[in-house]
Amino acid sequence: SQQGEEDPQALSIQEGENATMNCSYKTSINNLQWYRQNSGRGLVHLILIRSNEREKHSGRLRVTLDTSKKSSSLLITASRAADTASYFCATQTWGNTPLVFGKGTRLSVIA
Amino acid sequence: SAVISQKPSRDICQRGTSLTIQCQVDSQVTMMFWYRQQPGQSLTLIATANQGSEATYESGFVIDKFPISRPNLTFSTLTVSNMSPEDSSIYLCSVEDRQGGRQETQYFGPGTRLLVL
Repeated sequence: SQQGEEDPQALSIQEGENATMNCSYKTSINNLQWYRQNSGRGLVHLILIRSNEREKHSGRLRVTLDTSKKSSSLLITASRAADTASYFCATQTWGNTPLVFGKGTRLSVIA
Repeated sequence: SAVISQKPSRDICQRGTSLTIQCQVDSQVTMMFWYRQQPGQSLTLIATANQGSEATYESGFVIDKFPISRPNLTFSTLTVSNMSPEDSSIYLCSVEDRQGGRQETQYFGPGTRLLVL
């Protein structure tokens, strides 16, 4: 069963604005990973954050993790039209085990 | 990072037939995972394929419907048997890359888009 719940389900913003997506999960985790998917294609790995980390950055991406609230957020700064995609969070309980995906957020960036 | 390829990339099949999807990885991996993504939905795990043993299936998925082979550490196949329109989905394989500094990152193949008529 799906563990993660993304919020919002859909988000529409203007180019240049920041986009924030949230993810909540139910059980203890080893790590949480964020992915992007363009138009039903393969998943592109964005960032992994471990349970003992609170924040990670990668380019225009900023991910936070609050294990006490069992939640994570993905911030995309200065969004571009090319950021239009679905974004999924996925949790892993232990290494080398399958991921449990949230329902995803559909982001539309309008030029 | 692991490079994963899948064949076919897409297919249109008639109900009642079967399709075998291949997944090839450019490095040896212990575990391979098969996921399904129904239209407009998120990913759901079908099974975990460990080389040298039977695949482990998630609730709602059975070996007779989705037989899996894992003949070596770089290759796996998933068969969708006796297909119905409800099997129309994207099927993705995934591996965990435990080499180098990016341990635990899971990478996905490009997916196989299946349409069953």
